[in-house]
Amino acid sequence: GAGVSQSPRYKVAKRGQDVALRCDPISGHVSLFWYQQALGQGPEFLTYFQNEAQLDKSGLPSDRFFAERPEGSVSTLKIQRTQQEDSAVYLCASSLEVVAKNIQYFGAGTRLSVL
Amino acid sequence: KNQVEQSPQSLIILEGKNCTLQCNYTVSPFSNLRWYKQDTGRGPVSLTIMTFSENTKSNGRYTATLDADTKQSSLHITASQLSDSASYICVVSALNDYKLSFGAGTTVTVRA
Repeated sequence: GAGVSQSPRYKVAKRGQDVALRCDPISGHVSLFWYQQALGQGPEFLTYFQNEAQLDKSGLPSDRFFAERPEGSVSTLKIQRTQQEDSAVYLCASSLEVVAKNIQYFGAGTRLSVL
Repeated sequence: KNQVEQSPQSLIILEGKNCTLQCNYTVSPFSNLRWYKQDTGRGPVSLTIMTFSENTKSNGRYTATLDADTKQSSLHITASQLSDSASYICVVSALNDYKLSFGAGTTVTVRA
C-alpha cells in the first residue's frame, strides 16, 4: 500500500476484554514504532521493532501490553484485560531505515475506548 | 518533565492571516527537529525536518526556523486556509537515538 494502514480505526471494548490492533507498515520499511496518544497530547513511545526484532519495549505501560512483528512486516499490538486508562489513540509508524533522521510515516491510528 | 514544550496550546485565526507557533526543547545531543501536522482523526504528517546546520526550511506556506543555540524552533503559517486547521506537533530526536520526543502540540483553528 501507499501508506501505513491500521485496523480497526475504532474499537470499543468492555473493561477486562482483550483487544488486538493491527499495523501494516509501508512495504520495505525496516523500523516500526507503536505510540499511545492521549487526548490533547503528543504521542508517547510504546515499543520499537527493527525487522522482526523487538529492540525496545520500554514504553509499554504494563505487562498487559504485548507487541509482535513475527515476519518483519505486519505488527500487532495486543492489550489484555483492558482498563479504562487504556483508552487512547494507538498510532503505528514506520521508517525506511534505522537512522534517526529517517522520517517516520504514521498511520491514521486506532481509537480505543474502554467502557 | 517533557523535553519538548510548545506554545500556545491553541489559537484561533481568521482565514488569510498569518500565525507563528513556538517550540522549545531540551533534548541533547540534538540530531534533528521536525514539525508534523495532525488533522483530527488522522496520523501526524511530516511538514519539515531540520538538522543542526539548518536555520530555516519551507514547505509551501509553512516555514520552520531553528535556533540550535537557544534550542528554539518556530513554525510560521502564511495566508492561512481553512484546511490548516489541525494540531501541529514539534518533534525532536537525539543523536543516534531512534526515539522521538514529541511536544503536546498546538491546535490551530482557522475561521472564515
